[in-house]
Amino acid sequence: GQNIDQPTEMTATEGAIVQINCTYQTSGFNGLFWYQQHAGEAPTFLSYNVLDGLEEKGRFSSFLSRSKGYSYLLLKELQMKDSASYLCAVRDKATDSWGKLQFGAGTQVVVTP
Amino acid sequence: DAGVTQSPTHLIKTRGQQVTLRCSPKSGHDTVSWYQQALGQGPQFIFQYYEEEERQRGNFPDRFSGHQFPNYSSELNVNALLLGDSALYLCASSLARDEQFFGPGTRLTVL
Repeated sequence: GQNIDQPTEMTATEGAIVQINCTYQTSGFNGLFWYQQHAGEAPTFLSYNVLDGLEEKGRFSSFLSRSKGYSYLLLKELQMKDSASYLCAVRDKATDSWGKLQFGAGTQVVVTP
Repeated sequence: DAGVTQSPTHLIKTRGQQVTLRCSPKSGHDTVSWYQQALGQGPQFIFQYYEEEERQRGNFPDRFSGHQFPNYSSELNVNALLLGDSALYLCASSLARDEQFFGPGTRLTVL
């Protein structure tokens, strides 16, 4: 099985930087995903890490350390529209499928003026 | 290019009833996964379909069943509904090992 932990809520001001941590314990690992979900909407894909290191995509960056079972999502130059839930998801290693995603409970980011 | 679509958007049922939810994957995608998301929680994996077969299943009872059609669209069926089945049901499609794209979901309320 897999346990995925992330903080419940974080608050930051517009223009600031916020780092959302995610730790996981897994019996098999085949990649880590970050999704953004606005209230009442579907999750949208933000980033994917399968090797250790930092992946940068515009204002968003994601880091992975497989040996530590740790990832973070970094949001820079926060905008009001970044207020949303951020979901960390680990894909397991399956032999006959592409692997299911196991999600954390999500971190609600509140951006204040 | 249409993304993942789901129907219906909202649904209200009573305990003991049965429900069928539908999903059309993003064009070119061949794999469909279903998730249940309770309020304030992350999505929980129900099952995944590829080549019209259930390839992987999460910890959900047999009341939850599904199907994938030759055009890759999929259905989720839930029998003998319980109050606890009230949730947002998300369908996600992907092409093999690529990232999953989610549909807008079906909000199911069981009274």
